[in-house]
Amino acid sequence: GNSVTQMEGPVTLSEEAFLTINCTYTATGYPSLFWYVQYPGEGLQLLLKATKADDKGSNKGFEATYRKETTSFHLEKGSVQVSDSAVYFCALMGGGSEKLVFGKGMKLTVNP
Amino acid sequence: DGGITQSPKYLFRKEGQNVTLSCEQNLNHDAMYWYRQDPGQGLRLIYYSQIVNDFQKGDIAEGYSVSREKKESFPLTVTSAQKNPTAFYLCASSIGGSGTENTEAFFGQGTRLTVV
Repeated sequence: GNSVTQMEGPVTLSEEAFLTINCTYTATGYPSLFWYVQYPGEGLQLLLKATKADDKGSNKGFEATYRKETTSFHLEKGSVQVSDSAVYFCALMGGGSEKLVFGKGMKLTVNP
Repeated sequence: DGGITQSPKYLFRKEGQNVTLSCEQNLNHDAMYWYRQDPGQGLRLIYYSQIVNDFQKGDIAEGYSVSREKKESFPLTVTSAQKNPTAFYLCASSIGGSGTENTEAFFGQGTRLTVV
């Protein structure tokens, strides 16, 4: 079945540092790819998405590009803020499956 | 406001009791999902439903049951057969299954279930 593998952390960075969270996937066909963010005690919020190869999703300074050749969807941000402290999940849907499949999540802490 | 609502936010259950978690959406979405979240485990799929009156088991369905009698509602029952029910439960909905471009899922705020 489809699966998502992502960096698990936890990761601690200083404010204004560069962030990369790796995500690779296994799926048949052409899934849609997502990054979700979860703040403490809350549900998940969609951060960005890409629905076809070479699409770039972006939001709040975060970016990720759908790379079919490497089956990857790495999340990047050039300068993190304390408010970016959260858990980040990579996910996919489609690609031969009805399920929405998540990676294990990565907890990010940003210190001032 | 359109959205997905879970209730209650906190729930306490005695061992051996069944308990039902509510999930309602007014987004006119066909697909709905239940996930369980434990520390260090990410999100694990319990059940999902692509259409009214139909649902499928996810990866950890044992000890849980669901119904989908209405498009808007997808309640989850945690039965006494679930040996370790203490967890954070998340409900989600999306427009439809594979083949639909705008298939992102929208999540409720979650229900934290504690067995006492």
